[in-house]
Amino acid sequence: DSGVTQTPKHLITATGQRVTLRCSPRSGDLSVYWYQQSLDQGLQFLIQYYNGEERAKGNILERFSAQQFPDLHSELNLSSLELGDSALYFCASSVDPHEVSGNTIYFGEGSWLTVV
Amino acid sequence: DQQVKQNSPSLSVQEGRISILNCDYTNSMFDYFLWYKKYPAEGPTFLISISSIKDKNEDGRFTVFLNKSAKHLSLHIVPSQPGDSAVYFCAAPSADGLTFGKGTHLIIQP
Repeated sequence: DSGVTQTPKHLITATGQRVTLRCSPRSGDLSVYWYQQSLDQGLQFLIQYYNGEERAKGNILERFSAQQFPDLHSELNLSSLELGDSALYFCASSVDPHEVSGNTIYFGEGSWLTVV
Repeated sequence: DQQVKQNSPSLSVQEGRISILNCDYTNSMFDYFLWYKKYPAEGPTFLISISSIKDKNEDGRFTVFLNKSAKHLSLHIVPSQPGDSAVYFCAAPSADGLTFGKGTHLIIQP
């Protein structure tokens, strides 16, 4: 158990709909990262927040947005869903984004989104 | 532009033999590298890392080798065990946290 909690674990929704994925970081971690893993792709970085502020943006579509709340949990909002958005969405957390090493970034188990 | 590349989508190795997973990178500014292991329906977990000031790091059955001039690293697992069957990701820290390769699916055959 990494200490990073993601909900829901599985979600099936129709094209055009909107979903929200939730992440609770490890206790004490200030930084949250969102990654997308599609079938033919590796882990694609989407966005990072640090202590409530957006810190870095990756390959995140305009239809997607995220935020980190004062209690440090984060939500990833996916709207106008398309079939190609079906993927595993991972949240990860770390204490300090400037101290990046293997044992300081912890991943949740992922939210599996299926768009039909 | 893929800055971390794992060119072998899958690798099959017999139990007890050595597994060698390869990773190439293009960004010469990378100075730290990590390997993550991922089982189905689970998140990636950290396995082993190496700093660019070293060319080898060993942890039990796992050894990572770094060749900076070739911008290449490899993960050796010896002896390979059935529980090693998983997807292995090579990663490097960047401004975005971690930049991952596409992963190599290692299959250990009995």
